[in-house]
Amino acid sequence: KAGVTQTPRYLIKTRGQQVTLSCSPISGHRSVSWYQQTPGQGLQFLFEYFSETQRNKGNFPGRFSGRQFSNSRSEMNVSTLELGDSALYLCASSFSYNEQFFGPGTRLTVL
Amino acid sequence: AQSVSQHNHHVILSEAASLELGCNYSYGGTVNLFWYVQYPGQHLQLLLKYFSGDPLVKGIKGFEAEFIKSKFSFNLRKPSVQWSDTAEYFCAVLTGANNLFFGTGTRLTVIP
Repeated sequence: KAGVTQTPRYLIKTRGQQVTLSCSPISGHRSVSWYQQTPGQGLQFLFEYFSETQRNKGNFPGRFSGRQFSNSRSEMNVSTLELGDSALYLCASSFSYNEQFFGPGTRLTVL
Repeated sequence: AQSVSQHNHHVILSEAASLELGCNYSYGGTVNLFWYVQYPGQHLQLLLKYFSGDPLVKGIKGFEAEFIKSKFSFNLRKPSVQWSDTAEYFCAVLTGANNLFFGTGTRLTVIP
């Protein structure tokens, strides 16, 4: 089975812009979770989607949003980018809560 | 608020030394516990997990972890580390509300 894929792998944006990141889960996995990884903060949970519905949400501002399509692919959008949004954004898919499979991440740099 | 604490931010060991990485969590209900590892340039991958039963769980590559409920801890151990164990290790807790909380990670450097 192909693993979780994320596009793009690297992205450079400027403050105020918006960005959309994409995640394709492992075939058959209906749950997709998003995390922000920064040095010193570890992985912070953004949100989780299951069957096109947001099932869980972390403590991030409304500038961070997401959606899931009928084929389980998911997108994450960040509007009005701030310097502090620079991070590695990880997507993970799972069939159940037993284990999450992570993608390689999208490295976002905000200048 | 629920949290996961990994007190060791960076651990440096020589090959063959024993390893113990601490993980404590604050959540009073039933939890499922995980250790994930991120090797340089690679994806996060599951090392081991605890759901129920024997509190001493064994994972891949000789790692094990012990769940001590009274101490809210799930420490990771390996009797003899290798250079290839150099990586970042993350403890994670899945609460009854199906929220997965990660610790800030511990970077392990093994010197040959």
